[in-house]
Amino acid sequence: GAVVSQHPSWVICKSGTSVKIECRSLDFQATTMFWYRQFPKQSLMLMATSNEGSKATYEQGVEKDKFLINHASLTLSTLTVTSAHPEDSSFYICSASTGTAAYEQYFGPGTRLTVT
Amino acid sequence: DQQVKQNSPSLSVQEGRISILNCDYTNSMFDYFLWYKKYPAEGPTFLISISSIKDKNEDGRFTVFLNKSAKHLSLHIVPSQPGDSAVYFCAASAMSSARQLTFGSGTQLTVLP
Repeated sequence: GAVVSQHPSWVICKSGTSVKIECRSLDFQATTMFWYRQFPKQSLMLMATSNEGSKATYEQGVEKDKFLINHASLTLSTLTVTSAHPEDSSFYICSASTGTAAYEQYFGPGTRLTVT
Repeated sequence: DQQVKQNSPSLSVQEGRISILNCDYTNSMFDYFLWYKKYPAEGPTFLISISSIKDKNEDGRFTVFLNKSAKHLSLHIVPSQPGDSAVYFCAASAMSSARQLTFGSGTQLTVLP
């Protein structure tokens, strides 16, 4: 149980285009989903907290207009990287929460974004 | 400013021996700590956690120790097995935001057969 999927697992796009990444909780409903970014050999950095039916809460330094988050249902959250640039190339991981405890967070397999 | 630090990027251990992974934190508001294991191309999976009211938590081969005064925690794996080879992330949360996790940079553990 508590499986989280991400799609696509790997995407290459040209500079200036937009890319949408989906995060789905497959066997549970998640009122809260989180989006992380990971650079090589570095930690997962929380980008934003997404609550179903409301606007996402972004961490300091994360551009809201660049990283659009939509949590349309209890099983789906999307991250759209708008007008992507090479510096946006990274590994993006989502997680979905089944409860209020910190350990009740289940992670997706991640999406590797490469912007050329 | 890294609030959670894993200073060893890699660790190699012989099968059957003990693996000790270390983690330090700076934010005194952190009161719940977690260890995650991550294989390539997969998301992190929860391994074990500890609350700040405890100094030790054990689950099978995995034990986490917390030293609050030193702001240090460690994960012990004994005996280590080749299947334990993965990247291990330490994470912390504070009561004020129980589900928001701050991660360390990870330690690649390699268990040699």
